[in-house]
Amino acid sequence: GENVEQHPSTLSVQEGDSAVIKCTYSDSASNYFPWYKQELGKGPQLIIDIRSNVGEKKDQRIAVTLNKTAKHFSLHITETQPEDSAVYFCAAKSGGSYIPTFGRGTSLIVHP
Amino acid sequence: EAGVTQFPSHSVIEKGQTVTLRCDPISGHDNLYWYRRVMGKEIKFLLHFVKESKQDESGMPNNRFLAERTGGTYSTLKVQPAELEDSGVYFCASSQAGGVFTGELFFGEGSRLTVL
Repeated sequence: GENVEQHPSTLSVQEGDSAVIKCTYSDSASNYFPWYKQELGKGPQLIIDIRSNVGEKKDQRIAVTLNKTAKHFSLHITETQPEDSAVYFCAAKSGGSYIPTFGRGTSLIVHP
Repeated sequence: EAGVTQFPSHSVIEKGQTVTLRCDPISGHDNLYWYRRVMGKEIKFLLHFVKESKQDESGMPNNRFLAERTGGTYSTLKVQPAELEDSGVYFCASSQAGGVFTGELFFGEGSRLTVL
């Protein structure tokens, strides 16, 4: 089955800095890569996703890149703000499946 | 529109006792999932329902776990008897019916289970 590795487990940055979270996956059939943000006391919520037919996708301060050859994808957050502090999860899913496989999560702390 | 709701938010039980977690998915969502996260680890898949049918239960740890979704609406996950390693946060998620599946799961806030 699919295996998703996520790094780092904890990331501490100063407000205004950029943050990068990296994930690798094992199943070459995976073609959908969502990122979820979990704020304290809440459930994970989709913030951005990318499909395997594109290499990069951007939404305001958030961007995701995908390297299918290397089987890795990354989340980039620019101009971080304290409200970006949360746990971020990457996931991967193959086309024929309804079940995404999640990584271990990255706790992002943005210091004011 | 109400999101995915889970109950209880936190349960503390003794080893050997029984706990039942409940999930109410978003109205109209045929797909319902149970996941579990042990502290510091991945959100691990347990089970997937399509309406009232178990589509995939490959992630269920053992026969101490029983999930049901009678009538294809809310779902329950019962752990009996609970063991220490069952502690964690149990997430329920739902998604729209098949056809055009966008891939997005809508998660509840989770039920934290602590087994002492």
